[in-house]
Amino acid sequence: AQSVTQLDSQVPVFEEAPVELRCNYSSSVSVYLFWYVQYPNQGLQLLLKYLSGSTLVKGINGFEAEFNKSQTSFHLRKPSVHISDTAEYFCAVSGGATNKLIFGTGTLLAVQP
Amino acid sequence: NAGVTQTPKFQVLKTGQSMTLQCAQDMNHEYMSWYRQDPGMGLRLIHYSVGAGITDQGEVPNGYNVSRSTTEDFPLRLLSAAPSQTSVYFCASSTGTGSSGTQYFGPGTRLLVL
Repeated sequence: AQSVTQLDSQVPVFEEAPVELRCNYSSSVSVYLFWYVQYPNQGLQLLLKYLSGSTLVKGINGFEAEFNKSQTSFHLRKPSVHISDTAEYFCAVSGGATNKLIFGTGTLLAVQP
Repeated sequence: NAGVTQTPKFQVLKTGQSMTLQCAQDMNHEYMSWYRQDPGMGLRLIHYSVGAGITDQGEVPNGYNVSRSTTEDFPLRLLSAAPSQTSVYFCASSTGTGSSGTQYFGPGTRLLVL
């Protein structure tokens, strides 16, 4: 079975500072990895995804993530955050014979002026 | 394209009542799914479907039924509502098989069971 761990439930950061949101996964098969963002009172939308190939994946709004198979991680980074990046961020994993997409518990990114 | 639409936006039920949460998509996606979102627990998969006539259980299927008679629609039925089903429910549809595809989410239905 696959699982996802997001250790940080909340990450406070000042505007224009860099940020890293951590995600670790567990799977016995090859995986696909995703980051989704949820703005207040909205549904989720895709930030980026890793399916294969280059381990550094670039997404929307200046975010990027690096797939590290040996450490089973897929951390999300942004070099300089903006107030508008305040949202909840979810890491998710799928793969193998199942079509299921399993989400982590989410990390609230709180950008302060 | 309207994308993924969900109705109603809000609903209050009494314990034991039944209701159906509607979900429709106009993107011709084969894969559709239902999640519930609870504080501190992220999104948990309730049921999913890989095409018309095919459904399967997710992580938390108890108390919920689904059917998929058309590609467009994927309703979620609560047979006998319980306070533990108070949650925000999201429907999603996906390109491809679901495993590698991008999920497109609806705006959600907020359900309160008294």
